[in-house]
Amino acid sequence: QPVLTQSSSASASLGSSVRLTCTLSSGHSNYIIAWHQQQPGKAPRYLMKVETSGPYNKGSGVPDRFSGSSSGADRYLTISNIQSEDEADYYCETWDSDTYVFGGGTKLTVL
Amino acid sequence: EVQLVESGGGLVKPGGSLRLSCAASGFTFNNYNMNWVRQAPGKGLEWVSFISSSTRSMYYADSVKGRFTVSRDNAKNALYLQMNSLRAEDTAMYYCARIYDSSDYWGQGTLVTVSS
Repeated sequence: QPVLTQSSSASASLGSSVRLTCTLSSGHSNYIIAWHQQQPGKAPRYLMKVETSGPYNKGSGVPDRFSGSSSGADRYLTISNIQSEDEADYYCETWDSDTYVFGGGTKLTVL
Repeated sequence: EVQLVESGGGLVKPGGSLRLSCAASGFTFNNYNMNWVRQAPGKGLEWVSFISSSTRSMYYADSVKGRFTVSRDNAKNALYLQMNSLRAEDTAMYYCARIYDSSDYWGQGTLVTVSS
């Protein structure tokens, strides 16, 4: 089954941009992933899916500041013009025939 | 508006049982597969179980296989998770999630605490 690897933490200043990475394991580089945001004390929120050709199916109400991209086995979430409410944990998710997998999550701190 | 509302969590002793429910509204429930996902305190998300829209297919994480059973009642727009032989490591917030390839809508969660 696929494995998803994420950096445990990232930081960015208000108004800047940051790119978070989710890396698919060997043999799974063509898989689609989904990005989810979890603000402190809240349930996860779906952001978008990212496939090899790029993002699609953006979640309802997700700001344009959030975008996705792809390169090889890496799937990216870029947040532009970072706001204080973007401080959250970000998880990627993928799926196979009989299983779903989450990455370990990246904690984004807004400076 | 899509809504998923979990209930049924609580404090249970090791070895005990609990049944979680997820009430769905705002979409045609019987058209969608559903997931249960949990999150232990201070930890990341862990997939628990999947059930297809028709109930033909059900899958489980190895950590709960043989102890948890997922089911649904499409007439009632409801999803369930029967949890037996509970262990301390099952302590977590449990979320139901609608699936559109991936999880695309989440409930607010229900907390399960397994402790003596």
